[in-house]
Amino acid sequence: QITLKESGPTLVKPTQTLTLTCTFSGFSFTTSGVGVGWVRQPPGKALEWLALIFGNDDKRYSSSLKTRFTITKDTSKNQVVLTMTNVDPVDTATYFCVHRRYGDFDYWGQGTLVTVSS
Amino acid sequence: DIVMTQSPDSLAVSLGERATINCKSSQSVLYSSNNMNYLAWYQQKPGQPPKVLIYWASARESGVPDRFSGSGSGTDFTLTISSLQAEDVAVYYCQQYYTYPYTFGQGTKLEIK
Repeated sequence: QITLKESGPTLVKPTQTLTLTCTFSGFSFTTSGVGVGWVRQPPGKALEWLALIFGNDDKRYSSSLKTRFTITKDTSKNQVVLTMTNVDPVDTATYFCVHRRYGDFDYWGQGTLVTVSS
Repeated sequence: DIVMTQSPDSLAVSLGERATINCKSSQSVLYSSNNMNYLAWYQQKPGQPPKVLIYWASARESGVPDRFSGSGSGTDFTLTISSLQAEDVAVYYCQQYYTYPYTFGQGTKLEIK
C-alpha cells in the first residue's frame, strides 16, 4: 500500500526559505519511471504542479518557479524534500506530495497548509 | 508550456442526468509513436486531495464507477458522468503529462441542480 505524508512548518515569514518533507512508503525509487513530486493549491484555487524527482535523480520543475525551487531525495529514508527560497504571501497554499505513475499522479498525500505571512 | 482550458467553469446537473466536462490543450498531447493521449482526469472533494479517475484519456482507474468515462484525442477531451449521483459533487481537473512542465486545467465545479 502506497502512502505519502507531507511535513513542514505551517507558518513562514516573507523572504524566508521553506522546506517541506515528503515521507513515503509502499514503493521504491528503484522501480523504473517512478517519481515523487509536489503539487500545490492556493485556497479556493486550482492545482499547480511544482516539481518532480526520479530514482536516477533526474529532476523537473515548473517553468515559472524553477529558480526558487529545489527538489532532492534521501532514498535511505524514503523522503523527498522541496525547498522554496524567498517565499511570498502568494505561496500560501496546501502543498501535496504525489506519486507519479505514467505521468499522472495515482497517490496523493493529505496535504499540508503553508501560510506565508509576517 | 501547454495550457489546459476547461469548460465550463461550473456546472449544475440534476441527479440521474448526464454531466459533461470539456478540456482543451493548447497543443496536442497525443504521442504518435504509441498513439496514446497523455491526459488524466481528477476528482477533488472538499477537504480532500484529488483522486485520479481517468488516465491515458480514457482508461478508468481501478475502483472508479463505470458511470465515469473519458474520451477525446489530440487537443480536445471530455469527461462524462453518465448518471449523476450525489457523491459526484466535486471539482474536476484535467492534467497533461505529455511534456514538462505538467499542467492542470483551472477546474470545473460540479453541483446538483
